[in-house]
Amino acid sequence: EPEVTQTPSHQVTQMGQEVILRCVPISNHLYFYWYRQILGQKVEFLVSFYNNEISEKSEIFDDQFSVERPDGSNFTLKIRSTKLEDSAMYFCASSATWGFLNTGELFFGEGSRLTVL
Amino acid sequence: QKEVEQNSGPLSVPEGAIASLNCTYSDRGSQSFFWYRQYSGKSPELIMFIYSNGDKEDGRFTAQLNKASQYVSLLIRDSQPSDSATYLCAVNPRGYSGAGSYQLTFGKGTKLSVIP
Repeated sequence: EPEVTQTPSHQVTQMGQEVILRCVPISNHLYFYWYRQILGQKVEFLVSFYNNEISEKSEIFDDQFSVERPDGSNFTLKIRSTKLEDSAMYFCASSATWGFLNTGELFFGEGSRLTVL
Repeated sequence: QKEVEQNSGPLSVPEGAIASLNCTYSDRGSQSFFWYRQYSGKSPELIMFIYSNGDKEDGRFTAQLNKASQYVSLLIRDSQPSDSATYLCAVNPRGYSGAGSYQLTFGKGTKLSVIP
């Protein structure tokens, strides 16, 4: 069964360091996403990406964040200068969204836990 | 601000009973509604989605939607210990036939515990 894969599963970094989280979405999906979940809190939308550009982003997704699809398979989230409050589980997801293919399902990866010290 | 509210629980039910999970949302323009299950430390997993008012059944699960009351619920019949998890309600402004991204707004989740 196709799945979204994420690396690393856990990353520990020092405050102020740059972090790149990587994701391989499901191959025939068109939209890619990053969501995050601070421990004990809600899952929050960060950004969606379609046709090699940002489709939508939340107010959380400020200038410290960027996304990129550097090749045909990977989708990355970069945090330029990490803060303590960036500590969270980051979920990559993908969906097939054209009308008749719209199953209503957002497929999540297993997540990358980021700990900022 | 769009809000999705759920009772945090924990909701404890005996094995074999019906578990009833509720969710309300603030954005009257919301069009599609999702229930996800999340085991501790794991990613959300879709249980059901619903777009139209009324009931939608899938195996032991029934989702109910009332757009006028801005209310969504999930019933789990014949609850099993393996159903013990946190159940997340999520809403999307776009409907079934609309192309577009899933900018989902999630509730905080209801923790369900099924007692053997």
